[in-house]
Amino acid sequence: QSALTQPASVSGSPGQSITISCTGTSSDVGSYNYVSWFQQHPGKAPKLMIYEVTNRPSGVSNRFSGSKSGNTASLTISGLQAEDEADYYCSSYTTSSTWVFGGGTKLTVL
Amino acid sequence: EVQLVESGGVVVQPGGSLRLSCAASGFTFDDYAMHWVRQAPGKGLEWVSGISWNSGSIGYADSVKGRFTISRDNAKNSLYLQMNSLRAEDTALYYCAKGRAVLGGPWEAFDIWGQGTMVTVSS
Repeated sequence: QSALTQPASVSGSPGQSITISCTGTSSDVGSYNYVSWFQQHPGKAPKLMIYEVTNRPSGVSNRFSGSKSGNTASLTISGLQAEDEADYYCSSYTTSSTWVFGGGTKLTVL
Repeated sequence: EVQLVESGGVVVQPGGSLRLSCAASGFTFDDYAMHWVRQAPGKGLEWVSGISWNSGSIGYADSVKGRFTISRDNAKNSLYLQMNSLRAEDTALYYCAKGRAVLGGPWEAFDIWGQGTMVTVSS
């Protein structure tokens, strides 16, 4: 159950787009379309932003989008806003019937 | 309003035991899978355990297997985590989280989270 691999940090200016990658294996990301993305602001609980690779829950801005290719999933945030500054985590269901998270990516809006 | 409220977190000595609870409200609790996810201070998220809506399917992370037991009481709208043989590395904020879909499987994303309860394992 090794953690998924995410960049430790990414940054972008307001209005720009950024992409956060999430690399797993054929036992997790590569096996299923059960990849989720969470946003976590300091001192707050995580918030679901994307589920099943590409789907947005009701109320989540369409500036957030997800994709997957092989063993790597990606979260793209377009039109960056100051409120997007947070930690982002990916997660995937695995062939062992467990869940695994990425190590998290700190997004800084410059 | 859909809400999850965790409780039971305290300071406990290594080797000790603890039972966490999660009270659910605002939704039909027995229709959804539930999970425990933890976050050590300053660290990332780690899935701990999950249970299906009818308790027929249960899973654990390798790091807690054999020491932790998840359960639920649908009549009380409550989720539990019995934690035994606690270690320093179990120190974390423990969140309970709800599976997304009605009568969904353990693969459903976690769409609602509580605010967490802090467990500290220290002598």
